[in-house]
Amino acid sequence: QQQVKQSPQSLIVQKGGISIINCAYENTAFDYFPWYQQFPGKGPALLIAIRPDVSEKKEGRFTISFNKSAKQFSLHIMDSQPGDSATYFCAANDYKLSFGAGTTVTVRA
Amino acid sequence: DAGVTQSPTHLIKTRGQHVTLRCSPISGHKSVSWYQQVLGQGPQFIFQYYEKEERGRGNFPDRFSARQFPNYSSELNVNALLLGDSALYLCASSLVWGRGYEQYFGPGTRLTVT
Repeated sequence: QQQVKQSPQSLIVQKGGISIINCAYENTAFDYFPWYQQFPGKGPALLIAIRPDVSEKKEGRFTISFNKSAKQFSLHIMDSQPGDSATYFCAANDYKLSFGAGTTVTVRA
Repeated sequence: DAGVTQSPTHLIKTRGQHVTLRCSPISGHKSVSWYQQVLGQGPQFIFQYYEKEERGRGNFPDRFSARQFPNYSSELNVNALLLGDSALYLCASSLVWGRGYEQYFGPGTRLTVT
């Protein structure tokens, strides 16, 4: 059973545009929500993370929005660049990570 | 500082064989977790170790086993390989075991079972 549901499965955005990926969870024991970026043939790289006592966190062009009551969180990639083309995974952590199914982002130049 | 290292990078095995995958965590990190990532899916949790003790186990058959050594490195063993075991096996390290600690992944070992 998928504990974290992620959408969309894929998206295409023009260079300079905004990419938005959404995730939802059910288990209220989760208390840490990281996002990972993965390039083909590589391991996932920690991109940005948020804890449930914070509603928004921004690092450079990446922003996480968190809605605790709705049990939803999202990643916004601002000013998308071709180098951002990758698969993005949301995850939720109690003691282990439970991952979403991933979103493949393609940034067109 | 070196990140998480895994060996080997790639491995091809035949059904029924046994495989051992190895992982060295980031220096100073004491917890290691193993994940299986099938192509096109998110990683699935297999095991978590801290201070040489198993602290968590995912929904995988008993053919999968792991251990952690005094230097905090770890190995994952899979017996009686099946075609469905073909995947990228990822090792992640974190500073300690507990709720909400960052986990950093290695490059993975690509296992192909023929």
